[in-house]
Amino acid sequence: GAVVSQHPSRVICKSGTSVKIECRSLDFQATTMFWYRQFPKKSLMLMATSNEGSKATYEQGVEKDKFLINHASLTLSTLTVTSAHPEDSSFYICSASEMGLAGAAGDLETQYFGPGTRLLVL
Amino acid sequence: GQNIDQPTEMTATEGAIVQINCTYQTSGFNGLFWYQQHAGEAPTFLSYNVLDGLEEKGRFSSFLSRSKGYSYLLLKELQMKDSASYLCAALDSNYQLIWGAGTKLIIKP
Repeated sequence: GAVVSQHPSRVICKSGTSVKIECRSLDFQATTMFWYRQFPKKSLMLMATSNEGSKATYEQGVEKDKFLINHASLTLSTLTVTSAHPEDSSFYICSASEMGLAGAAGDLETQYFGPGTRLLVL
Repeated sequence: GQNIDQPTEMTATEGAIVQINCTYQTSGFNGLFWYQQHAGEAPTFLSYNVLDGLEEKGRFSSFLSRSKGYSYLLLKELQMKDSASYLCAALDSNYQLIWGAGTKLIIKP
């Protein structure tokens, strides 16, 4: 199956610093990558949808200038949390969809998730 | 509005069968996904249904009724490792995933 990696898996930083999280599709090309945030015992909250070579589409209520997303290639998207504050502490998960795959129904739409990044801002 | 409903928590016994239900209301429909998420980990893909009926995959099966806006995930021969949250997500007409809040499944020996 498709593999998505995320780095780092865990990060602790001081308030006011910026943190960059990388999401890579290892064995497939991803037209679209998604960034989610998850609070304890809550479902995934979609933050933004990222398409290679174009600007990300942010969900309502998500600050574009605070959560910078760059989808530089078909295998890499990055999320930068700028000037992080304790309330930004969360579990950030990326997912990727394969492009142009002629296979079983659902192949194009199935999202494969990275392992997540746990961010703690002190 | 768009909405996904699934039970918050369920308890079952090791070796038994459990059915987790999901109802959805979306603007258009392009399929329904089930994901498994263990605590502290990212979700993993379990199944995708776009046509009515039951799809079996080992111990897990998923059912869809488009006319009723209803799906269920059936887990057989439950094992302790099946203790996890199970997320139902529907794909709307814009190919956006609408996520349920997840069902926490507790397996008892």
